[in-house]
Amino acid sequence: QQQVKQSPQSLIVQKGGISIINCAYENTAFDYFPWYQQFPGKGPALLIAIRPDVSEKKEGRFTISFNKSAKQFSLHIMDSQPGDSATYFCAGTGANNLFFGTGTRLTVIP
Amino acid sequence: NAGVMQNPRHLVRRRGQEARLRCSPVKGHSHVYWYRQLPEEGLKFMVYLQKENIIDESGMPKERFSAEFPKEGPSILRIQQVVRGDSAAYFCASSVRRGSDTEAFFGQGTRLTVV
Repeated sequence: QQQVKQSPQSLIVQKGGISIINCAYENTAFDYFPWYQQFPGKGPALLIAIRPDVSEKKEGRFTISFNKSAKQFSLHIMDSQPGDSATYFCAGTGANNLFFGTGTRLTVIP
Repeated sequence: NAGVMQNPRHLVRRRGQEARLRCSPVKGHSHVYWYRQLPEEGLKFMVYLQKENIIDESGMPKERFSAEFPKEGPSILRIQQVVRGDSAAYFCASSVRRGSDTEAFFGQGTRLTVV
């Protein structure tokens, strides 16, 4: 059972473009939604996170949009750069554990 | 100021052998999570432990897999009688406390290959 569904599986964006990754969750007990970034051969690292009582959070070029009624949230990467090329995971978390989406492999073409 | 340390980074085992994966959390962290990553399948939750206690093992196969986090020493994920399907990257994460807004820090993973 996939508690967090993520799309697309892969994404190719031109340098300077906007990358958009979408996620949907099932578990209404989730109360925190982080995004993790993973480079090849490395472990995931926290990128940005949002609580469901907020509709948007922005940190630099990264923005999370959250729609509680639809149980959906998305990551927008503005002015995408080749260094952003990585796999991105959305996640939902409650008191006991952290469930991840299946990941999106982002490639930013120079 | 070391982060989460996992060893070994790469582990090769023959079918039927045992695999032991070690995870030393960030100093001061008493909560540990184990995940398995397969290509195209993301990170699958396996088990959540606090010192000397298993809090949630709902993602762990009932047979051959076990985990512990003793009072002293690293957390251990143990896979007995490994099969080819166990080949994957196993990641450990730690956090300072339980709670939904607590950042989990990940290690670099152990890549297990069963031949």
